[in-house]
Amino acid sequence: AQRVTQPEKLLSVFKGAPVELKCNYSYSGSPELFWYVQYSRQRLQLLLRHISRESIKGFTADLNKGETSFHLKKPFAQEEDSAMYYCALTHTGGFKTIFGAGTRLFVKA
Amino acid sequence: DAGVIQSPRHEVTEMGQEVTLRCKPISGHNSLFWYRQTMMRGLELLIYFNNNVPIDDSGMPEDRFSAKMPNASFSTLKIQPSEPRDSAVYFCASQISGGTGELFFGEGSRLTVL
Repeated sequence: AQRVTQPEKLLSVFKGAPVELKCNYSYSGSPELFWYVQYSRQRLQLLLRHISRESIKGFTADLNKGETSFHLKKPFAQEEDSAMYYCALTHTGGFKTIFGAGTRLFVKA
Repeated sequence: DAGVIQSPRHEVTEMGQEVTLRCKPISGHNSLFWYRQTMMRGLELLIYFNNNVPIDDSGMPEDRFSAKMPNASFSTLKIQPSEPRDSAVYFCASQISGGTGELFFGEGSRLTVL
């Protein structure tokens, strides 16, 4: 069965510290992985997707098929990174997208 | 484009009442999704449509929930009768099937059932 697991509900770090939001998935086929972010009073929006291999707002995520993980990382957290982050999975070329339970990141000054 | 539009933004109702949530997807998007967001379970997929046809409704909690998409520009999610445990934020999202896979979300409808 498809499943996305985000083990941390809340992650609190100091400004300037590295941050890693964990995501593990369970899927038998060929998945596409995404990270979405929801800032306060804003819509849920795409942050990045694994196929683009891009860095957005200093965040990167590498798909590790061996460990079935797609952790989100940033070397130096900023206060404006405080938000709710969701890891999501969809089948390559498919429609159904499922999300993890989300991790709230709080970056302290 | 104003993006995905949902209404109402907030709804407070009493247990047993019927609730109807509405969604207008982005023009040209042919897939539409309904999600429910709670603190405990995060974002749960309830149902999704492709070209106005329901593809997978396995996430719909029970028969009290129903969803329709009568045309490409409108969808409803109905709860009848509503219960306090239905209190959550309900999101609608749209997508171009066969595209990048990105979902575009509405601002959500916050439902409180007393």
